[in-house]
Parts: sequence; structure tokens; C-alpha cells
Amino acid sequence: NAGVTQTPKFQVLKTGQSMTLQCAQDMNHEYMSWYRQDPGMGLRLIHYSVGAGITDQGEVPNGYNVSRSTTEDFPLRLLSAAPSQTSVYFCASSYGDRRKTEAFFGQGTRLTVV
Amino acid sequence: EDQVTQSPEALRLQEGESSSLNCSYTVSGLRGLFWYRQDPGKGPEFLFTLYSAGEEKEKERLKATLTKKESFLHITAPKPEDSATYLCAVLRRGKSTFGDGTTLTVKP
Repeated sequence: NAGVTQTPKFQVLKTGQSMTLQCAQDMNHEYMSWYRQDPGMGLRLIHYSVGAGITDQGEVPNGYNVSRSTTEDFPLRLLSAAPSQTSVYFCASSYGDRRKTEAFFGQGTRLTVV
Repeated sequence: EDQVTQSPEALRLQEGESSSLNCSYTVSGLRGLFWYRQDPGKGPEFLFTLYSAGEEKEKERLKATLTKKESFLHITAPKPEDSATYLCAVLRRGKSTFGDGTTLTVKP
């Protein structure tokens, strides 16, 4: 089982560049989310989706866009990278069922904006 | 706004020295409280889900409990391999809110 796959694992961007972080899951999960984790801190929710075609903002959405055209994929787009977006990004997925809601996480993308 | 606060931020134990980690939360319409373990350089790994006050779950040396305002992760006779950051999260309407975590170090 591949689970949740994130690409790339590492990325360096220059200020102002744009890029897309990829996330794919093969567990037929309804829910998918993007988080960022800064040193010594927990995970902060950027955007999330409860199903294909449905997305919503989390705690820190500014500077990021998402779309969910399929159940499997949930890409995160950085529109114009800023040094404040240097962080580790995690994608997660889970069932929407009442009793199967634990999240499965990818291995993360370490992004540095210079 | 949903809030999750974990304490302590860091905990150092000797092997075999039992202790507890705390997670206090403020959320209306809680659908679940989750505990995850995170090792350096890796994504969080699921440990437990608790759904209602009074519920308890156990796995090896770990036991999670839940009240209406907080959850505890009890670690009994820890081993060095239990060293990790432990994250607590609450779920409401498909949206998870995480605490900042407790970093546990167990010395042999």
C-alpha cells in the first residue's frame, strides 16, 4: 500500500516563484488536508477538502490555493513564494465515516524559500 | 475557535519512570480526539482515537483517557524507543486542530 504520497520531498524556491506540491492517496479517503509545521510547533491547517469538488480554508490559507478534482489528488499551490512560507508541509487523508476518522500522513515536503 | 493546548512542552524521563502528557481542548461539537506520535523527519503516526468522555484506549505502554475538557496520555515504564513528539488533535466537521505537541525523551 502506498498510502499518502507527497512530492517532492525537498524544494528550494526563490522569492516570488510559484510551485505546486503534489499529494495523492490510494485509500479512497473522502477527507484530505494540507498542514504546515514550523520548528517546535504543531501542525497548522492550510486548506482541507471533504470530497471531490469541495474545499475550504483552514487556519493559515493566505498565499496558498488548492483544488480537488479527483478523490485521489489534492495539490497545494504556492502562488508567489515568500520566506515566511519556509516550512515542512504535510498532506493527510482520512475517511469521513464517524468511526474511522484517524488521519494518515505523507512523509512531508521540506520547502525553503530564499 | 477550536483550541488545543498540550503540556508540558518537553518531558525527560528515565527508562521505567512513568508519567502523563496532558491535552486540554476547547471545541464545540467534538467528533473525536486523536493522539499521534511523530518521529524526527517523519509525518505523524496515528495512535488513538477517543470519542466520548470516560473512554480509554491502550496500546503497549500507552494509555489514553478522555474527559469533557482534556485528555491524558499515560506512559507506563517507558523505554528509549518511546522517545518522540506526541501530538493531540481534535476533529470537528472534517477539520482537525492540533496542539503544539510534547517532546518526550526517555534516557536509558
